Amino acid sequence: DTEVTQTPKHLVMGMTNKKSLKCEQHMGHRAMYWYKQKAKKPPELMFVYSYEKLSINESVPSRFSPECPNSSLLNLHLHALQPEDSALYLCASSQAQGQPQHFGDGTRLSIL
Amino acid sequence: GENVEQHPSTLSVQEGDSAVIKCTYSDSASNYFPWYKQELGKRPQLIIDIRSNVGEKKDQRIAVTLNKTAKHFSLHITETQPEDSAVYFCAASIPGGGADGLTFGKGTHLIIQP
Repeated sequence: DTEVTQTPKHLVMGMTNKKSLKCEQHMGHRAMYWYKQKAKKPPELMFVYSYEKLSINESVPSRFSPECPNSSLLNLHLHALQPEDSALYLCASSQAQGQPQHFGDGTRLSIL
Repeated sequence: GENVEQHPSTLSVQEGDSAVIKCTYSDSASNYFPWYKQELGKRPQLIIDIRSNVGEKKDQRIAVTLNKTAKHFSLHITETQPEDSAVYFCAASIPGGGADGLTFGKGTHLIIQP
């Protein structure tokens, strides 16, 4: 069982759709992360929210938009995605940056 | 930014033997080094980690060593079992690294032969 919950588990969407991925943790962690993982590749960091401050990997395209409504929730808004965006999207949390990160089960995203 | 190299990409060992996976990092400011195990179709699971003020850490059959001078760290698994088969990722983290967060190595596919 994981203490980081991600929904949905699977998502299929067209390139013109708008959808959101959700992540929730109730461990009181103050840092939350979004990673993208392609098949047979390591996770790649997309965004970090640490103490309500957002840090962005500058290589992430603007069609991905994170939102942190509160310290236990992290959303990833998707708009006008491309087929190459198909991947496993992992959320993680930690007490603070530089502390152990715990991953959710991920959302497997397919872009048609 | 940080760059982490991991070797080998695939490692096959006989059940009961030991396995060693090695990683090097580029940024001397990195101070936190976790190891994750990822089974097919599942999330990465933290199995052990080490900080730069420690040279070695052990947890049952798993140990990690860190050489700060050479900027490399290694995962050691003894008495390997079939359930150890998975992809293992090393990672490095720079304190207050902003968007750097964790930088992962490319992974090692560990195969335990019965």
